[in-house]
Amino acid sequence: GAGVSQSPSNKVTEKGKDVELRCDPISGHTALYWYRQSLGQGLEFLIYFQGNSAPDKSGLPSDRFSAERTGGSVSTLTIQRTQQEDSAVYLCASSLAVGRGPGNTIYFGEGSWLTVV
Amino acid sequence: KQEVTQIPAALSVPEGENLVLNCSFTDSAIYNLQWFRQDPGKGLTSLLLIQSSQREQTSGRLNASLDKSSGRSTLYIAASQPGDSATYLCAVANAGNMLTFGGGTRLMVKP
Repeated sequence: GAGVSQSPSNKVTEKGKDVELRCDPISGHTALYWYRQSLGQGLEFLIYFQGNSAPDKSGLPSDRFSAERTGGSVSTLTIQRTQQEDSAVYLCASSLAVGRGPGNTIYFGEGSWLTVV
Repeated sequence: KQEVTQIPAALSVPEGENLVLNCSFTDSAIYNLQWFRQDPGKGLTSLLLIQSSQREQTSGRLNASLDKSSGRSTLYIAASQPGDSATYLCAVANAGNMLTFGGGTRLMVKP
């Protein structure tokens, strides 16, 4: 697609339920990132996928959070047993390359707005 | 741990003014620095990317500079317009292209 696509754009869920957020990166982009933006907070790194390498999960806030990337393309972020503090915008991004060089501009999707009630 | 700070946190200017947004970072071992724009309820739009070996990048009315040794970047907006009103975010990339973001500057350009 032309840009990073995320779904759902908005999700309201009850506390304790599981949610899945989907990200479809720009075609051909090898790197995929998930970030979280909470109300009044900055952007927080969650997880990063690069090609077939093991993902960098260092930003995941708890073991209720997990993510996978199938076939090197689409990624799903799963939050189990949601809590109210999980309410945030979950932003997915992708880049053509990693590290130094002109291909490492990072492009963001519109985000998935999650509200836990 | 990389820390990124943006000053000011908010800025209100009349239309037509030239303005400067500031970004500072603590670890100069960066791959690149990227400026983004975020409109309310929207995702992030990449404005400019400066590689660690570069000093500045320009796109239209926007000019971003980078002084890696002092850990500073500025985003210069010429002849500001009401449509420039948004939050501007600075982010630095370290190993793995992981971005560390500043808190942003909320810009309001009044007609």
